[in-house]
Amino acid sequence: EVQLVQSGAEVKKAGESLRISCEASGYSFPSYWISWVRQMPGKGLEWMGRIDPNDSSAKYSPSFQGHVTISADRSTSTAYLQWRSLKASDTAMYYCARPEGPEVHPYWGQGTLVTVSS
Amino acid sequence: QSLLTQPPSVSAAPGQKVTISCSGGNSNIGNNYVSWYQQFAGTAPKLLIYDSDKRPSGIPDRFSGSKSGTSATLGITGLQTGDEADYYCGTWDSSLGAVVFGGGTKLSVL
Repeated sequence: EVQLVQSGAEVKKAGESLRISCEASGYSFPSYWISWVRQMPGKGLEWMGRIDPNDSSAKYSPSFQGHVTISADRSTSTAYLQWRSLKASDTAMYYCARPEGPEVHPYWGQGTLVTVSS
Repeated sequence: QSLLTQPPSVSAAPGQKVTISCSGGNSNIGNNYVSWYQQFAGTAPKLLIYDSDKRPSGIPDRFSGSKSGTSATLGITGLQTGDEADYYCGTWDSSLGAVVFGGGTKLSVL
């Protein structure tokens, strides 16, 4: 069974750094990309980017390029989403998802709530 | 402002049928498959339709998808109160080089 288990909720201050994780199981981790999707409070879904765990190459949505870093560790079957300097506007629920093909996401993590205070 | 336009809300009575539209352009819906997702408050999205008109295993045939030109439609028949959720369309945008989602539609079953 494919499972994506995300790290727990985080409460941070503006300017702090943060890395959240998404541990995959039930399939060959290097064989499928992992996407990250943002959902701000009361808002819709926004695709942030994806990583190919096979070679750690990442592709970002233009809206998020330069603001976050997506990485992966094949040894632990874990993908990461990282910020160097958080802003209050980064407050959101973040989901990891495993796509099949460029746009289909059948498998989702449970979400990680990130709250950033100014 | 999303590249894919959905109505903010739709409503219908139990047992009735509802359709949710998703309008885009040539760089997204016009040349790529569309997926649809159902999201209940506080939970992760769930895939309902992929490749514009296919249902994953376990999704009832009350849910259907179609695409024509630069628009896609999700249909739900035999509405149940348990269908009350937010619904999102999604596809690849070839110009952006990114996945794009619609703004979401809130379904109320009155």
